[in-house]
Amino acid sequence: EPEVTQTPSHQVTQMGQEVILRCVPISNHLYFYWYRQILGQKVEFLVSFYNNEISEKSEIFDDQFSVERPDGSNFTLKIRSTKLEDSAMYFCASSEALGVSYEQYFGPGTRLTVT
Amino acid sequence: AQKITQTQPGMFVQEKEAVTLDCTYDTSDQSYGLFWYKQPSSGEMIFLIYQGSYDEQNATEGRYSLNFQKARKSANLVISASQLGDSAMYFCAMREGTGGSYIPTFGRGTSLIVHP
Repeated sequence: EPEVTQTPSHQVTQMGQEVILRCVPISNHLYFYWYRQILGQKVEFLVSFYNNEISEKSEIFDDQFSVERPDGSNFTLKIRSTKLEDSAMYFCASSEALGVSYEQYFGPGTRLTVT
Repeated sequence: AQKITQTQPGMFVQEKEAVTLDCTYDTSDQSYGLFWYKQPSSGEMIFLIYQGSYDEQNATEGRYSLNFQKARKSANLVISASQLGDSAMYFCAMREGTGGSYIPTFGRGTSLIVHP
């Protein structure tokens, strides 16, 4: 069964450093998403991406964040200057289409630890 | 106001028993979808079950069923014949169709522990 993959599974970085989290969505999916889950808290939406541009973003997704689809398969989240509070699990997801009934398939997550 | 409310931070159940995880939601949309996800200790989010607002029958997927009570705005997850592997966090989520934004809102989750 096709699945969303994410690399790395765990990233440790120092405060102020840039990190890039990588995702490979399911190949025939058109919509891509990033979510964040701070330890012990609920999953929060960051950004959605369609047709090579951001379609929606949350208040969390400020200027330190950016997303890119550099080729036909990868979807990346860049955090420019990491802060301690960026420590969280970051999930990538993809969906075939947009609509209330279309399931978003989540990747296994990248645990980001900022020290 | 919270769009998704999960009032049970933790639940315990005996293996082979059934358990109900509560979820209430708040929306003024007529068209919306309700989802349940399982998050084991390894961290991944696993889709379990979906219920559409226009679906007349409760959704079922194997041992999972969704007790959908539209008038009460509740979408409780029922797990029958619990297994030790069901121990995990469970998140209820809702996706609304207003303005073409289909971004799901998640609840805070319920931690389920299955005892042998």
